Amino acid sequence: KNEVEQSPQNLTAQEGEFITINCSYSVGISALHWLQQHPGGGIVSLFMLSSGKKKHGRLIATINIQEKHSSLHITASHPRDSAVYICAVIDSGGSNYKLTFGKGTLLTVNP
Amino acid sequence: KAGVTQTPRYLIKTRGQQVTLSCSPISGHRSVSWYQQTPGQGLQFLFEYFSETQRNKGNFPGRFSGRQFSNSRSEMNVSTLELGDSALYLCASSLDRTYYEQYFGPGTRLTVT
Repeated sequence: KNEVEQSPQNLTAQEGEFITINCSYSVGISALHWLQQHPGGGIVSLFMLSSGKKKHGRLIATINIQEKHSSLHITASHPRDSAVYICAVIDSGGSNYKLTFGKGTLLTVNP
Repeated sequence: KAGVTQTPRYLIKTRGQQVTLSCSPISGHRSVSWYQQTPGQGLQFLFEYFSETQRNKGNFPGRFSGRQFSNSRSEMNVSTLELGDSALYLCASSLDRTYYEQYFGPGTRLTVT
């Protein structure tokens, strides 16, 4: 069974701070998603990556396949970044390509 | 391009009833996945459909079923509802498999009383 662990569970920051959210998983994967969920339920896919690093605006995602670890960084955080961030891995065991999710990290950025 | 749409957005049912939820993917997307989100369990994968065929299934009882039509629209059905089925049900579409970018719908909030 592929477990996905995220840390921290909750994170409070001041506007402008650099944020790091971590995700660790236990088995081989095809790829990893970082998702953002705002209050009310809407989910947006931020990144999908299988190696290296991706950057979009103030967001940076990295993955280390050998260490089974990924990080999501937010530079110059802003109150509008307040949301739940969810890591999801695509388990490639056999022919299944289903997503397994972490429990999420609740980020609150105060002005 | 229109996003993923789900209907209805909110639903209240009583125990023992059945419910059908609908999902219309982004035009051109052939894969539709369904997820359940609860405060206790978080997000869990239900099933994935591609070209009218179920490709993957999560660890849910047989009361949860789904189908996909030739236009890629998908429905999921839950029979004999239980209180624990109260959840946000999300669908997501992608071009092909789940290792492509997933686009999520707004979800259907189901309350079972």
